[in-house]
Amino acid sequence: DQQVKQNSPSLSVQEGRISILNCDYTNSMFDYFLWYKKYPAEGPTFLISISSIKDKNEDGRFTVFLNKSAKHLSLHIVPSQPGDSAVYFCAAGGGGFTIGNDMRFGAGTRLTVKP
Amino acid sequence: DSGVTQTPKHLITATGQRVTLRCSPRSGDLSVYWYQQSLDQGLQFLIQYYNGEERAKGNILERFSAQQFPDLHSELNLSSLELGDSALYFCASGPGGAYNEQFFGPGTRLTVL
Repeated sequence: DQQVKQNSPSLSVQEGRISILNCDYTNSMFDYFLWYKKYPAEGPTFLISISSIKDKNEDGRFTVFLNKSAKHLSLHIVPSQPGDSAVYFCAAGGGGFTIGNDMRFGAGTRLTVKP
Repeated sequence: DSGVTQTPKHLITATGQRVTLRCSPRSGDLSVYWYQQSLDQGLQFLIQYYNGEERAKGNILERFSAQQFPDLHSELNLSSLELGDSALYFCASGPGGAYNEQFFGPGTRLTVL
């Protein structure tokens, strides 16, 4: 079941420009959302998260926006750097202790930042 | 370095065989999660353990099983392997809880021939 969808398998942007990665979810019970970044031959690493009580969370060059009514979140990277080239996974989960029970990951978007 | 270790890094085996993947969580983390990433697929949650007990199950096949030992390391056992089981298997650990991130190991790449 594709409860979390990343419809763009790849994205290419120029260094210094904005990268926007999108994610849609179908389960309205999800109330916690995360973005992970994955380099080749490494495991995913946590990047940024947002809970459903917020619509924006910012951490340096990374900002995650949440639109609950549209069940959509996006990750903005400004300015994009070549080192940001990686696969980005969106993840969504329900509240409560057993987040592992309903954590769902999207298929990932491969971001390439060109110098 | 996430502090999560997984062994082996690569595993090549034949159909019908059984393998065991091992994971050592970060120091202090009580929760261990197992994920499967097949080609062009997202991360599929398999199972979670918390302090030795199974906490949650995802899309884990009956041929697969896992356990978490008293020292908190975990093993994922895959049996009667099929070609379609070829994938990257990630272990993650964390303190548990709804709003805590998970820290991923480097993964074990399983190839079933």
